[in-house]
Amino acid sequence: KAGVTQTPRYLIKTRGQQVTLSCSPISGHRSVSWYQQTPGQGLQFLFEYFSETQRNKGNFPGRFSGRQFSNSRSEMNVSTLELGDSALYLCASSPTGAGGSPLHFGNGTRLTVT
Amino acid sequence: DQQVKQNSPSLSVQEGRISILNCDYTNSMFDYFLWYKKYPAEGPTFLISISSIKDKNEDGRFTVFLNKSAKHLSLHIVPSQPGDSAVYFCAASAFETNAGKSTFGDGTTLTVKP
Repeated sequence: KAGVTQTPRYLIKTRGQQVTLSCSPISGHRSVSWYQQTPGQGLQFLFEYFSETQRNKGNFPGRFSGRQFSNSRSEMNVSTLELGDSALYLCASSPTGAGGSPLHFGNGTRLTVT
Repeated sequence: DQQVKQNSPSLSVQEGRISILNCDYTNSMFDYFLWYKKYPAEGPTFLISISSIKDKNEDGRFTVFLNKSAKHLSLHIVPSQPGDSAVYFCAASAFETNAGKSTFGDGTTLTVKP
């Protein structure tokens, strides 16, 4: 099985712009989660989607949004970029997202905001 | 309030010796605890997990211990190998909120010296 695929791998944007990141989960996985990792920090939960519905949301401003399509692929959007949004954005999938299920991560999208 | 803490940012051990990585949590609602390993430029990969009804889980060279009364868990790697050098994240999730919304610690960088 192919793993979780995130595109693009790297992005450089300017403050005030918006960006869209893409994630293709493992085939058959219906739960997709997004995490932000900044230097020296753990993974901060952004949101989780299951069957095209946002099931959980973390403590991030409304500038961060996402969606999931019927094929379970997911996109994450950040509007009005700020310097502090520079981070590694990780997507993870699991079959159902049931408690205790291991998450399968992609290699991330490295976003740099200048 | 950081609900999952890894108080040691780094750990260095000699090849063949035991590596012990520690993790503390504050939320009594957590039902599952997982360890992930992360190499540079890659996403985290699942290593081993334990549910709150157990106090030990073993998988080859990796053993996780859970002390619920102390809200503490540890990952033991025996014997340590140079290929184990990576960042290790402790993560916790509650059954009700699903694995997709996991809470991660800040990570411990393990270096195994040949």
